[in-house]
Amino acid sequence: EAEVAQSPRYKITEKSQAVAFWCDPISGHATLYWYRQILGQGPELLVQFQDESVVDDSQLPKDRFSAERLKGVDSTLKIQPAELGDSAMYLCASSSGTSGTGELFFGEGSRLTVL
Amino acid sequence: GENVEQHPSTLSVQEGDSAVIKCTYSDSASNYFPWYKQELGKRPQLIIDIRSNVGEKKDQRIAVTLNKTAKHFSLHITETQPEDSAVYFCAASPRVMGYGNNRLAFGKGNQVVVIP
Repeated sequence: EAEVAQSPRYKITEKSQAVAFWCDPISGHATLYWYRQILGQGPELLVQFQDESVVDDSQLPKDRFSAERLKGVDSTLKIQPAELGDSAMYLCASSSGTSGTGELFFGEGSRLTVL
Repeated sequence: GENVEQHPSTLSVQEGDSAVIKCTYSDSASNYFPWYKQELGKRPQLIIDIRSNVGEKKDQRIAVTLNKTAKHFSLHITETQPEDSAVYFCAASPRVMGYGNNRLAFGKGNQVVVIP
């Protein structure tokens, strides 16, 4: 069964350092999402791509976060510089639909700890 | 934006009993309401969803009911089993003008513990 791949699974860094997360969605899925999940909370959308275009980045802290999906396939989320409050699970998800509904397939996530 | 709240935050049930989790939403334009299950250390997975033109949907031991007037929907799990122990997230998809994509707003989650 096809799955969303993410790396790294775990990342420990010191504040002010740069970190990057990678996501490979399910093949053929045009829509890709990056969510942040703080311990004990639900996933919070950071950015949504339709193919290579950003369709929603209203909740992305653009002063330090950036995301790209250059060829409309895999994606990278970068944080520079990392802050203590960025410690969280970063979940990537993909879906095939574009109509406003549809199942999200999540990756296993990248857990970030900022010291 | 959409605000989704879940109650109760933690629910303990005896194996075999039923569990009900309620979720409320704020945006009356929301039209899609999924439930995701997240087992400890694993990824969230869709278990059931409902659209605004339907009042109830069942899939074996789980069901979801929707009350659009009151803006709440509930997850029902019957004959609970230990493997039902997990965090359950409800979500709502608000109408995002100009995007045409599923921007889900998630609740904070309910921890369900099934006691053997």
